[in-house]
Amino acid sequence: QSVLTQPPSVSAAPGQKVTISCSGSSSNIVNNDVSWYQQLPGAAPKLLIHDNDKRPSGIPDRFSGSKSGTSATLGITGLQTGDEADYYCGAWDSSLSAGVFGGGTKVTVL
Amino acid sequence: EVQLVESGGGLVQPGRSLSLSCTASGFTFGDYAMSWVRQAPGKGLEWVGFIRSKAYGETPKYAASVRGRFTISRDDSNSIVYLQMNSLKTEDTAIYYCTRVVGWSLNDYWGQGTLVTVSS
Repeated sequence: QSVLTQPPSVSAAPGQKVTISCSGSSSNIVNNDVSWYQQLPGAAPKLLIHDNDKRPSGIPDRFSGSKSGTSATLGITGLQTGDEADYYCGAWDSSLSAGVFGGGTKVTVL
Repeated sequence: EVQLVESGGGLVQPGRSLSLSCTASGFTFGDYAMSWVRQAPGKGLEWVGFIRSKAYGETPKYAASVRGRFTISRDDSNSIVYLQMNSLKTEDTAIYYCTRVVGWSLNDYWGQGTLVTVSS
């Protein structure tokens, strides 16, 4: 059981938009920044979004992040087959004094 | 270019020990915290622990599941971070990733991972 809760899977057709939610609490998402990671099949995770809504250089603006209250959201627009991957949210949990991740969401392009 | 290369994985019996290393390059190693994140086969990511930079006292923190069994240390002169794993359990079987950390939990660079299999 992960501290951060994500839907197991989302799907959409090419060119469409998907959103992935990440639900937490006051000890993690509310008071700490959220990061998002993309893990392509067979590869190591890669940073996609940091500080809730900031994209590292090289990440296309099709990827966006937001945070409100106890939840964060990753959005992917203009969905491409190359976006098929597992996506994880992560944050610091001040009560646990530990890093925490969501259980991951598998994105499928129909 | 930031590079993180893990080594030391392999097959180990339950109850035994194993040490992993992560050699870093492409950045000033001593300025950053470093962490270990693992992923059991077919499962999600699990934070194992991290060690802060010397400026912050090199304070390590651990997940409850490994506290007391795992130890993270660092060698800034050689840009290496270690994960000493003792009293290994079958549930420790996973790919172990080394990451560079910004702040408390932003893992901005990841290694390719090394597989640890705990089995008799």
